[in-house]
Amino acid sequence: EPEVTQTPSHQVTQMGQEVILRCVPISNHLYFYWYRQILGQKVEFLVSFYNNEISEKSEIFDDQFSVERPDGSNFTLKIRSTKLEDSAMYFCASSEGQIKYNSPLHFGNGTRLTVT
Amino acid sequence: GESVGLHLPTLSVQEGDNSIINCAYSNSASDYFIWYKQESGKGPQFIIDIRSNMDKRQGQRVTVLLNKTVKHLSLQIAATQPGDSAVYFCADLRASGTYKYIFGTGTRLKVLA
Repeated sequence: EPEVTQTPSHQVTQMGQEVILRCVPISNHLYFYWYRQILGQKVEFLVSFYNNEISEKSEIFDDQFSVERPDGSNFTLKIRSTKLEDSAMYFCASSEGQIKYNSPLHFGNGTRLTVT
Repeated sequence: GESVGLHLPTLSVQEGDNSIINCAYSNSASDYFIWYKQESGKGPQFIIDIRSNMDKRQGQRVTVLLNKTVKHLSLQIAATQPGDSAVYFCADLRASGTYKYIFGTGTRLKVLA
């Protein structure tokens, strides 16, 4: 079964550094998403992306964050000048169509980001 | 404000018994709900969904019930197995221009041998 893959599985970085989290969505999917989960808390929406544009973003997704689809297969989340509170699991997800039309999100297994 | 929340943070069930996990929502406009399962160290995994024009939907060993009157949905797992141990989230499709899921806090299901 096709799956969303994320790399690395664990990223440790120092406060103030930039990190890029990488994702390969399912190949025929057109909608891409990033979510994050702080330890012990709920999964929070960050951003959705379609047709090389951000479709929607949450309040969390401020100027520190950016997303990109640099080629036909990868989808990245860049976090500039990381802060301690950015430490979390970051999940990439993709869907074939808009969620409204019974197109559930398929999640990767996440990248655990630790900011020290 | 809008919220999707769960009644119980942890549910312990004897292996073989049925499990019921509850979820409340507050937005009357919510029209599509999905249950996800998250095992330790993994991403959320789709289990079953239901649209607001339905009251009940069944899958393999799972049933979702939707009560729009009280804005409540539940996930029922029949004959709970050790592999069902996970955190279960309900997610609410929230129409706001483009679409996204809003996840609840999650209920941890522990299956006792």
